[in-house]
Amino acid sequence: DVKVTQSSRYLVKRTGEKVFLECVQDMDHENMFWYRQDPGLGLRLIYFSYDVKMKEKGDIPEGYSVSREKKERFSLILESASTNQTSMYLCASSNPRTGGQETQYFGPGTRLLVL
Amino acid sequence: SQQGEEDPQALSIQEGENATMNCSYKTSINNLQWYRQNSGRGLVHLILIRSNEREKHSGRLRVTLDTSKKSSSLLITASRAADTASYFCATEAGGTSYGKLTFGQGTILTVHP
Repeated sequence: DVKVTQSSRYLVKRTGEKVFLECVQDMDHENMFWYRQDPGLGLRLIYFSYDVKMKEKGDIPEGYSVSREKKERFSLILESASTNQTSMYLCASSNPRTGGQETQYFGPGTRLLVL
Repeated sequence: SQQGEEDPQALSIQEGENATMNCSYKTSINNLQWYRQNSGRGLVHLILIRSNEREKHSGRLRVTLDTSKKSSSLLITASRAADTASYFCATEAGGTSYGKLTFGQGTILTVHP
């Protein structure tokens, strides 16, 4: 079974702190994704990566950056955390299939509170 | 941008009843997928329907897709209390997408024992 792990389930940080959220997948997937989930807004894509060192902006990249130095690891960075970044953060991975039809495998999520 | 719109936002039923959730989207798609999320957890993939398919079954799940109306429905038959969760539709856009999905806002399903 594919396993996607996230470094923390719960995290409390202060405004202005630099925050790192780590995601690791163990199935050699090429694609990795970071979402945030807020009540009434569903999941919104922050960034994704389709290869090592490659990254693409999603729908809401402002205030975030990412790093993918190794295939199995995709990090989300909040350069200077703000209270409006309090949210649930979900990481996912997938593998390209011929003709598309990829499904995503999700980690358990990190609930971040910024005070 | 949020492509998927789900209806209803919340659904409350008794065990044994059927639950139907609907999803609408705006642009052409390669496929549409349904995911489930138990409270406070990550999402789990349930079923994928390709753009050239009209109906698909998996156990107690039945998914339909109407590309002319840009809509899909998920039917859970003979629901159980354990089906209580949030359900999300997600679309993969046509063309090269790197597997990127656009999720709807979700339907919260509560099944009462």
